[in-house]
Amino acid sequence: NAGVTQTPKFQVLKTGQSMTLQCAQDMNHNSMYWYRQDPGMGLRLIYYSASEGTTDKGEVPNGYNVSRLNKREFSLRLESAAPSQTSVYFCASNHETANTGELFFGEGSRLTVL
Amino acid sequence: AQSVTQLGSHVSVSEGALVLLRCNYSSSVPPYLFWYVQYPNQGLQLLLKYTTGATLVKGINGFEAEFKKSETSFHLTKPSAHMSDAAEYFCAVRASGGYQKVTFGIGTKLQVIP
Repeated sequence: NAGVTQTPKFQVLKTGQSMTLQCAQDMNHNSMYWYRQDPGMGLRLIYYSASEGTTDKGEVPNGYNVSRLNKREFSLRLESAAPSQTSVYFCASNHETANTGELFFGEGSRLTVL
Repeated sequence: AQSVTQLGSHVSVSEGALVLLRCNYSSSVPPYLFWYVQYPNQGLQLLLKYTTGATLVKGINGFEAEFKKSETSFHLTKPSAHMSDAAEYFCAVRASGGYQKVTFGIGTKLQVIP
């Protein structure tokens, strides 16, 4: 079982460049999420999609955009990368209507912005 | 609103000693509580969860946690630490009922000393 798959696993950008992080899940989950993880700050929610066709801002949405392409895929875009966006990004999913909110995570995407 | 406080960003224990990782939460409605574990360079995986019913919950790898409503706590314990328990542990909370976002603590890194 693949679960939640993120690409790329590693990326180095220069300030001002753009890129898209891809996420796909094969568990037929309704809800998908993007988190960033920074030392001493835990995981902070960037954007989420409660169901196909909807997206909402989380705690730290500035500088990011998302697209829920279909039920399986949820992408995160950095339009103009900044050094403050250097982080590890995690995609997660769950089936909100069927369980109690347990999240399934991808392995992460390590992004460095120079 | 909901929040999670993990006391101690770093905890060191000797192999074979008791592991105790502390978590306190706040939630305006009955909470669902989770502990996740993150091994180096991996995503988070669920260790255990409390939703309703028995307040002492058992998880994988010999870990357990007790929900104490009066103390708003959900501390994680393991009687005897193993070297393989070295990882970062995250406590998380979400409100029960309907669709609710998950809020994570800042994490506790557990070091196991041989």
